[in-house]
Amino acid sequence: ILNVEQSPQSLHVQEGDSTNFTCSFPSSNFYALHWYRWETAKSPEALFVMTLNGDEKKKGRISATLNTKEGYSYLYIKGSQPEDSATYLCAATSGTYKYIFGTGTRLKVLA
Amino acid sequence: DSGVTQTPKHLITATGQRVTLRCSPRSGDLSVYWYQQSLDQGLQFLIQYYNGEERAKGNILERFSAQQFPDLHSELNLSSLELGDSALYFCASSVSAGGPLSGELFFGEGSRLTVL
Repeated sequence: ILNVEQSPQSLHVQEGDSTNFTCSFPSSNFYALHWYRWETAKSPEALFVMTLNGDEKKKGRISATLNTKEGYSYLYIKGSQPEDSATYLCAATSGTYKYIFGTGTRLKVLA
Repeated sequence: DSGVTQTPKHLITATGQRVTLRCSPRSGDLSVYWYQQSLDQGLQFLIQYYNGEERAKGNILERFSAQQFPDLHSELNLSSLELGDSALYFCASSVSAGGPLSGELFFGEGSRLTVL
């Protein structure tokens, strides 16, 4: 059974702080790791799709890294802004066609 | 706007009833995924269709069924509804089949089902 875990569950940071979250997944039969951003009352939107060990992706102040050998990915936000407040989800596909999501990290950036 | 359309947006019904949720994927996307999000739960994978055929199955109850039609829209049928079926049901689409070809998912706005 593919189990994707995210930590922490929730996080409050001050505006301007940098922060990071973790996504853990089984490393066997790995295909891809996705990060999604989910704002309240909206639907999840893709941030990154990563497939190769050592992949690093960046979009503005947000970046992500992938370690497929040990089964984890980090999402970094540099200089957090209130508009970064959202739930950040990761999803893994591994040996099947299923995208299995973690329960997310809920980020609140305080102005 | 993701390009994925889900209807209805909200639905209130009684226990024992049957409902149908509809999803139109983005133009060109062949895969449709259904997810359930209950209170304080993450996105639970229900089922995936690719080009009309069932590709993967998650923790979908026997009371639930789905299909994808030749025009690629999909319907999720929920029957003998129970209070615990109250949830937000998301549809997502992708151009790829998944697995080794895992393209990003585009989500609809969800259908909120309330069972009274």
